[in-house]
Amino acid sequence: QSALTQPAYVSGSPGQSITISCTGTSSDVGGYNYVSWYQQEPGKAPKLLIHSVSQRPSGVSNRFSGSKSGNTASLTISGLQAEDEAEYHCSSYTTTGSWVFGGGTKLTVL
Amino acid sequence: QVQLVESGGGVVQPGRSLRLSCAASGFTFSAYGMHWVRQAPGKGLEWLAVVSHDGSKTYYADSVKGRFTLSRDNSKNTLDLHMNSLRPEDTAVYYCAKDLQFDGMDVWGQGTTVIVSS
Repeated sequence: QSALTQPAYVSGSPGQSITISCTGTSSDVGGYNYVSWYQQEPGKAPKLLIHSVSQRPSGVSNRFSGSKSGNTASLTISGLQAEDEAEYHCSSYTTTGSWVFGGGTKLTVL
Repeated sequence: QVQLVESGGGVVQPGRSLRLSCAASGFTFSAYGMHWVRQAPGKGLEWLAVVSHDGSKTYYADSVKGRFTLSRDNSKNTLDLHMNSLRPEDTAVYYCAKDLQFDGMDVWGQGTTVIVSS
């Protein structure tokens, strides 16, 4: 149950697009379309942003999008806004019936 | 509205036990699997355990297997995490979360803090 690999930090200017990667193995990210992404503001609980690799729950801005290629999933935020500054976590279901998270990525909006 | 409220956190000595609870409201609790996830200070999220909608199946992370036990009471809409043999590395904010049919966690509680220290 090794954690998925995410970059520790990413940054971007308002209006730009950024992409956060999430790399796993064929036993998790590559094996299922059960990849989800969460946004977590400091001191708050995580909030579901994306599920099923690319599906947005009701109420989530369409500036957030997800994709997957092989063992790597990606979260793209377009039209970056100051309010997007937060930590982002990916997660995947695994072949052992468990779930695994990435280490989290802190996004700074410059 | 859909809500999860954790309780039971606190300061506990290494080797001791603690029980966390999660009270659910606003949805049909008995229809969904439920997770516990924790976050150590300054660290990422760590998935701990999941219980099926009817309580018949549970799965645990290797880090807590044999020490933590997850159970639910669908008549009371509550979820419990019994934590034994606690270690300093179990210090974290503990969240309960509603399962989205294998596809992540769509509702989270506000978290309860556990500090394991002598």
